[in-house]
Amino acid sequence: KAGVTQTPRYLIKTRGQQVTLSCSPISGHRSVSWYQQTPGQGLQFLFEYFSETQRNKGNFPGRFSGRQFSNSRSEMNVSTLELGDSALYLCASSSDRQSYNEQFFGPGTRLTVL
Amino acid sequence: AQKITQTQPGMFVQEKEAVTLDCTYDTSDPSYGLFWYKQPSSGEMIFLIYQGSYDQQNATEGRYSLNFQKARKSANLVISASQLGDSAMYFCAMRGVTGGSYIPTFGRGTSLIVHP
Repeated sequence: KAGVTQTPRYLIKTRGQQVTLSCSPISGHRSVSWYQQTPGQGLQFLFEYFSETQRNKGNFPGRFSGRQFSNSRSEMNVSTLELGDSALYLCASSSDRQSYNEQFFGPGTRLTVL
Repeated sequence: AQKITQTQPGMFVQEKEAVTLDCTYDTSDPSYGLFWYKQPSSGEMIFLIYQGSYDQQNATEGRYSLNFQKARKSANLVISASQLGDSAMYFCAMRGVTGGSYIPTFGRGTSLIVHP
């Protein structure tokens, strides 16, 4: 069974631009969560999607948004990039039954904002 | 608000010995889940073990066990018979209700180095 895949793996953008990150969950998983990891703030939860609906949301500004498609693939968008958005963005998937127990993470997308 | 505290920034252990990584938590939610993850230098987070707040028994998964002391609000990870491949960052996390959402909160992590 293929694991969680994230594209692209590395990305360099400049301040003010917007970016879209993609996540393909494990086949059969309907829940996708997004996390931001930085040296300063650690690992923080962004949001979770389940069956195309945002189910839970962390404490991030509205510049961070996401969506989930009918095939469970998810995208995360960050508009008006700031230097502080430089981070490793991790995506995790879980089955609907194990949503709160076990998540499988992807390799992450490392975003650098210049 | 929920909070996870990992007080050990770094730990060293000899190969084949056991090691305990500390984690304390704080929450007002009576129903919550506690997790441990491993993050090797490659960056990918790997789920290790889960403990529910109402579980009576301590969780175990192979060489990993979670020492759950509810009254003390601690959820320490015990790794038995350490291996060189165990060298990584270890994160304690909990999932509970915050502001109407059921979200996970992570600790700052403990860097474990296993010496041969």
